[in-house]
Amino acid sequence: AQTVTQSQPEMSVQEAETVTLSCTYDTSENNYYLFWYKQPPSRQMILVIRQEAYKQQNATENRFSVNFQKAAKSFSLKISDSQLGDTAMYFCALLKGGSEKLVFGKGMKLTVNP
Amino acid sequence: ETGVTQTPRHLVMGMTNKKSLKCEQHLGHNAMYWYKQSAKKPLELMFVYNFKEQTENNSVPSRFSPECPNSSHLFLHLHTLQPEDSALYLCASSQDRLAGVTGTGELFFGEGSRLTVL
Repeated sequence: AQTVTQSQPEMSVQEAETVTLSCTYDTSENNYYLFWYKQPPSRQMILVIRQEAYKQQNATENRFSVNFQKAAKSFSLKISDSQLGDTAMYFCALLKGGSEKLVFGKGMKLTVNP
Repeated sequence: ETGVTQTPRHLVMGMTNKKSLKCEQHLGHNAMYWYKQSAKKPLELMFVYNFKEQTENNSVPSRFSPECPNSSHLFLHLHTLQPEDSALYLCASSQDRLAGVTGTGELFFGEGSRLTVL
């Protein structure tokens, strides 16, 4: 079975600073994908960034980057130059290759303060 | 209309009522999903449809009945629910099945229907 753990329920950061959100996961599979999704207050959940497990290079999308440590089963998200619009719930998720089931963590509430 | 739209946004129902949640996607996607989001718990996958065919039922109680008349529409029919069923129900779609070789794993979500069962 696949599990995803987000141990920090809540964090806050000042605007323009950098923040790192942690995520650990457990799977016995070699073929899997990892995701960070963002859910702003009362708005749709959207994909932030995606990482294929077979790729050693960490994924980057503008101000968002990940630190993928496969051996440690760790997948943290770094947000640089935080903006007020980054305030949201952030969910880490895991998809086993060949599965329909995206497994989510409990989420972490990030607040960016002006 | 763009993206994934869900109606109603809020629903209050008694335990003996019958109601339905509706989801429509305008993205030309082939797969649609129902997820349940409860406070302090991970999102739970309920159902998956691919080209109108149900491909996943994640041990959901029969008081939840999905319907997918075409690739653009998905319903969740609700009957004799329990107070613990109160949650945010999220609809999502993806270009192809997540399990498919062409799947990117990206889900496109609606804003959700907030259900309260009294």
